[in-house]
Amino acid sequence: QKEVEQDPGPLSVPEGAIVSLNCTYSNSAFQYFMWYRQYSRKGPELLMYTYSSGNKEDGRFTAQVDKSSKYISLFIRDSQPSDSATYLCAVNFNDMRFGAGTRLTVKP
Amino acid sequence: KAGVTQTPRYLIKTRGQQVTLSCSPISGHRSVSWYQQTPGQGLQFLFEYFSETQRNKGNFPGRFSGRQFSNSRSEMNVSTLELGDSALYLCASSLEGQYDEKLFFGSGTQLSVL
Repeated sequence: QKEVEQDPGPLSVPEGAIVSLNCTYSNSAFQYFMWYRQYSRKGPELLMYTYSSGNKEDGRFTAQVDKSSKYISLFIRDSQPSDSATYLCAVNFNDMRFGAGTRLTVKP
Repeated sequence: KAGVTQTPRYLIKTRGQQVTLSCSPISGHRSVSWYQQTPGQGLQFLFEYFSETQRNKGNFPGRFSGRQFSNSRSEMNVSTLELGDSALYLCASSLEGQYDEKLFFGSGTQLSVL
């Protein structure tokens, strides 16, 4: 079993849709939870991070962590074509462990 | 503030050769981590250097090695290349390394082994 499981998609939605991206992790020792966004031919860029269970909001993006279920989510409201990218969840204890990434396409 | 710079961007090598990749971190960042990204395995941690010392290592064979210089710049070396080493190699810098959730990635070096 991988330490971080993420549905690779691909996921295709119309512009304006609400997008839900999800990951599960296996080790309760993980302390930090991140979402990275990676555009084609670029390195990942940090989108959001959180330490605790609950929601964290930043503009159109909301990160949600449920430590009891070992479940992390990213919600994108009013999705835009510019949101088309691969989204990677990541967890950290002694080193960063990444999910496989979900490729998202937002169609105009 | 300049971002993380990786050179070269693209590299084509043949089996058995060796390759050296370079990474210049963000000014002030003391930690440099290296990752291998492939469609099948995703992002996999290679190793981390902090103040010129290797602090953490992933599950890769000894053909993969690295070093960090006093100015925090880092190099990664792969010897005796195999076809399976074809991948995007990403370097990331951060202030505190393994205890820092904020990694800043370069655009990567795309290595093709023929």
